[in-house]
Amino acid sequence: QSVLAQPPSASGTPGQTVTISCSGSSSNIGSNDVYWYHQLPGTAPNLLIYRNNHRPSGVPDRFSGSKSGTSASLAISGLRSEDEADYHCAVWDDSLSGPVFGGGTKLTVL
Amino acid sequence: EVQLLESGGGLVHPGGSLRLSCEASGFTFDSYAMSWVRQAPGKGLEWVSSVSGSGGSPKFADSVKGRFTMSRDNSKNTLYLQMNNLRAEDTAVYYCAKEPYFDSTGYCHFEKWGQGSLVSVSS
Repeated sequence: QSVLAQPPSASGTPGQTVTISCSGSSSNIGSNDVYWYHQLPGTAPNLLIYRNNHRPSGVPDRFSGSKSGTSASLAISGLRSEDEADYHCAVWDDSLSGPVFGGGTKLTVL
Repeated sequence: EVQLLESGGGLVHPGGSLRLSCEASGFTFDSYAMSWVRQAPGKGLEWVSSVSGSGGSPKFADSVKGRFTMSRDNSKNTLYLQMNNLRAEDTAVYYCAKEPYFDSTGYCHFEKWGQGSLVSVSS
């Protein structure tokens, strides 16, 4: 059971916009920055969004993050087949004194 | 180019020990915090431990506290994870990750990951 709740799966067709949610509590999302990681099958994760809504260099602006209260979202616009991957949210938890992750969302591009 | 290369994984019996290494290159190793994050087969990511650039006061997840220790040899640009009293639930791919700060307290900013090292705990 993950501290952060993510839907196990999401899907969309090419060109669509898909949103993945991440729900937490006042001790994590409610008081700290959210990070998103992208993971292709059989490979290591890669940083996708940092500090709620910032993109590392090289990440397309089709990816955007937002946070409100104790929830966060990752939006992917102009969906492409290569976006098919697992997406993980993460945040520092003040009660646990360490980072916590969501269970991951598997995105399928139909 | 930042590179992280893990080694030391393998098959071990329950109760056994294993030491993972992560050799870093392409950056000033002692200026940055480093972490270990693991992923059990078919599961999500789980933070394991973190240490500051100096190597002081490593932090651990409750699930490994008292069994795992973390250290770094800044003269060798290498991070270590010593895993003792291993359990079946420790079976996972273990990734080392670089953070962009000297001290990682308060962040989950894993900006670069290694390719991972598989640890299997089974009798």
